[in-house]
Amino acid sequence: QKEVEQNSGPLSVPEGAIASLNCTYSDRGSQSFFWYRQYSGKSPELIMFIYSNGDKEDGRFTAQLNKASQYVSLLIRDSQPSDSATYLCAVMEYGNKLVFGAGTILRVKS
Amino acid sequence: KAGVTQTPRYLIKTRGQQVTLSCSPISGHRSVSWYQQTPGQGLQFLFEYFSETQRNKGNFPGRFSGRQFSNSRSEMNVSTLELGDSALYLCASSWTGSGNTEAFFGQGTRLTVV
Repeated sequence: QKEVEQNSGPLSVPEGAIASLNCTYSDRGSQSFFWYRQYSGKSPELIMFIYSNGDKEDGRFTAQLNKASQYVSLLIRDSQPSDSATYLCAVMEYGNKLVFGAGTILRVKS
Repeated sequence: KAGVTQTPRYLIKTRGQQVTLSCSPISGHRSVSWYQQTPGQGLQFLFEYFSETQRNKGNFPGRFSGRQFSNSRSEMNVSTLELGDSALYLCASSWTGSGNTEAFFGQGTRLTVV
């Protein structure tokens, strides 16, 4: 069973700080990686999609992928209270199957 | 551009009944995947359809089934409902079947079995 591991948190950061979320995966052959944000009672919202080693930036979000070490991270700069949510890391397998981690709860305190 | 549309948003069913959920993907997307989300198990993959063919199936009993139509809309059916089937059911839409593609979720259908 391919696994995706995340620290469940909660991760608490002050407003304006950088939040760092981490994820490791077990299948060395995995190619595509996703970060979703999910507010309570809502569906997951795609934040970042990355498949190449290195960094990918989109606004305040940066995804970092290291296939050799089998980890992917998400940095949120200038964290805002509205960023408080559960962040889900996912790896895509054959047939567009997403395998999710349990999610990390992020709390941004104003 | 419209997003992924799931209907209905909420359902209450009685144990033993069956239910059908619908998912309309983003226009042009050909892959639809279904997931079950519960507090205890998180997000679990049910199955995926691409061009009307089921390509992948998760570890769920045969009571869970699905299909995809020629316009890429997909339906999911659960027969003989059990209390444990209460969950948020989500579908995800992707453009291609290649794997290196973004997957967008609909708003979900919250099913309550009583």
